[in-house]
Amino acid sequence: DGGITQSPKYLFRKEGQNVTLSCEQNLNHDAMYWYRQDPGQGLRLIYYSQIVNDFQKGDIAEGYSVSREKKESFPLTVTSAQKNPTAFYLCASRLTDQPQHFGDGTRLSIL
Amino acid sequence: DQQVKQNSPSLSVQEGRISILNCDYTNSMFDYFLWYKKYPAEGPTFLISISSIKDKNEDGRFTVFLNKSAKHLSLHIVPSQPGDSAVYFCAASSRNTGNQFYFGTGTSLTVIP
Repeated sequence: DGGITQSPKYLFRKEGQNVTLSCEQNLNHDAMYWYRQDPGQGLRLIYYSQIVNDFQKGDIAEGYSVSREKKESFPLTVTSAQKNPTAFYLCASRLTDQPQHFGDGTRLSIL
Repeated sequence: DQQVKQNSPSLSVQEGRISILNCDYTNSMFDYFLWYKKYPAEGPTFLISISSIKDKNEDGRFTVFLNKSAKHLSLHIVPSQPGDSAVYFCAASSRNTGNQFYFGTGTSLTVIP
């Protein structure tokens, strides 16, 4: 089945550690996105990528990094510079002029 | 600055009645609007969209209305069913924002059997 896979579903990190969240899609979509959702807030854009080897910062990119080496994959690294990393992270992808399709998210918690 | 706003955090409706969810936006350049439905611990699922050249789009029980002069859109669900209970997000984008979408804070809908 075609879709977007985010792994793991739950992730725990010690303070001061970097952690990488995985996002893979087999929909042949060009654009991919990372959002963060906090309680009572909407989805806020961290980074997005329209093509391989290219990506742009969203509204809250500080403390995060991404790569887009393959069309299917758009991993997000939460670095130790991110002061408040506990959140629900959502990955999405889309074809041009089409709605975004979302994965089921990764919940990151700090130990 | 929040460019897309959903001012009602929650809404309760009796089964069989109409649910109306509202969304306001500030950027007059937005030309593509969407509604997503989200269950806890899952990603949002696309429901329905509308472009700025239309003022209404219908898909089964779901209808989205767009009032460009008021910068307002609404989602009507009729008749409401218990399975519709979820958080609903509106989103907007424009050619000027490229591939960037702006989301509201969501409205939690509860349909009471």
